[in-house]
Amino acid sequence: DAGVIQSPRHEVTEMGQEVTLRCKPISGHNSLFWYRQTMMRGLELLIYFNNNVPIDDSGMPEDRFSAKMPNASFSTLKIQPSEPRDSAVYFCASSLAGRAEAFFGQGTRLTVV
Amino acid sequence: GENVEQHPSTLSVQEGDSAVIKCTYSDSASNYFPWYKQELGKGPQLIIDIRSNVGEKKDQRIAVTLNKTAKHFSLHITETQPEDSAVYFCAAKTAAGNKLTFGGGTRVLVKP
Repeated sequence: DAGVIQSPRHEVTEMGQEVTLRCKPISGHNSLFWYRQTMMRGLELLIYFNNNVPIDDSGMPEDRFSAKMPNASFSTLKIQPSEPRDSAVYFCASSLAGRAEAFFGQGTRLTVV
Repeated sequence: GENVEQHPSTLSVQEGDSAVIKCTYSDSASNYFPWYKQELGKGPQLIIDIRSNVGEKKDQRIAVTLNKTAKHFSLHITETQPEDSAVYFCAAKTAAGNKLTFGGGTRVLVKP
C-alpha cells in the first residue's frame, strides 16, 4: 500500500496568494482528517470527513480556509488569501470507519512570505 | 472537549536505558489511546495503541500502560537505541467521536 499521499511536499507562496494542498487517502479508507502542526500549537485537527462528507470543521481557523472531498480518493485544503501566520506543516490522515487507527501522510510544509 | 497533557517535553537518555513518557486526559469517555513517533521531516507514525478495556500492551521494546481511574497512560521504551530518537505524541479518542486529540509531544534523544 502506498500510504497517504500528500502534495506538494513543500510550498512557498506570497501573502495574499491562494494555496491548495492535496491528499490521497489509503485506498478503502473512508475517514479523512486534515491536521496542522506548529511549534506553538502542536497538532491541531482542522476538519474531518466520513464517506466524503464533512463531519466536524470546528478546527478550521477562519473563513479563509476551506476543504473539499469530491470523491473517496481525493481531498483538498485551500487557503485564500494566505497569510504568514498560516505557515505550518499540514498533514492529512485516513482511517477505516469503525477502526480507530489513523495513518498520516508525509505532510506539506507551507511557508507564506 | 478532550484535553491531553504530555510530559516531559524533552527527554535525554543514554543508549540502553529506558525512557518513559506520561500523558493524562480529561474526558472519561475516551477509550482509545495511540502513540505516534515522528521523525524529522516525516509524518507521525502509529507505533502502538491501547484500548480502555486493556491495562497494558507490549510490542517488543515498547509497552503502553493505561490507568482509567486516574486517567493517565504511559509509553515505556526499553533498551533504547539511537534510532529511537524522535518526537513522540500521545493521543486520545472517544467512542462517540472520530477525532484524535494529541498531547504536546516529547522530544526523545538517545545518546550513543
